Amino acid sequence: SQQGEEDPQALSIQEGENATMNCSYKTSINNLQWYRQNSGRGLVHLILIRSNEREKHSGRLRVTLDTSKKSSSLLITASRAADTASYFCATDSVGAQKLVFGQGTRLTINP
Amino acid sequence: SQTIHQWPATLVQPVGSPLSLECTVEGTSNPNLYWYRQAAGRGLQLLFYSVGIGQISSEVPQNLSASRPQDRQFILSSKKLLLSDSGFYLCAWSQLLRGGYGYTFGSGTRLTVV
Repeated sequence: SQQGEEDPQALSIQEGENATMNCSYKTSINNLQWYRQNSGRGLVHLILIRSNEREKHSGRLRVTLDTSKKSSSLLITASRAADTASYFCATDSVGAQKLVFGQGTRLTINP
Repeated sequence: SQTIHQWPATLVQPVGSPLSLECTVEGTSNPNLYWYRQAAGRGLQLLFYSVGIGQISSEVPQNLSASRPQDRQFILSSKKLLLSDSGFYLCAWSQLLRGGYGYTFGSGTRLTVV
């Protein structure tokens, strides 16, 4: 079963606006990761946040983690058309040797 | 540098035919390797993972099998394909990042069973 569940399933915004995607999970985790997938391609690792971290930044990306609510959010600031892609959260659960991915959010940036 | 190769990029196979997808990794040794399947517009489903040569863990019992004959080679197989085996197959290996293991994915194989 899928561990992470992203919300919303699809998001369409204008270029320059901020995009926020959310992820919820069910079990205790070592870390949570976000990946990006361009249409028909493999996934690319964006950012990893450890269970003892609350916020992390990487360029225009900002990730937050609330372990008490078992949720995370990915914020992309000043969006660009090139940010159009699907975004997935993935959880590295305690005791597991694998990542479990959510269903993803399809983000469309309109020029 | 570390790279991952996956082929073929696309494949159209008739129902009942065999399947062999190959994934190889360069620039690292003893990687953890993974096969995922992605249905259209959906998330990734973990099929198999391997922590070493000959060590395969199956996540979902189905019409597929996996093998790891060499340290950096991971093969996904089927003896007889079903229509439901259609999908986008992704190979990945895990590497230690700051804070945990992250995955590097291959470019994927789009399989259509007809």
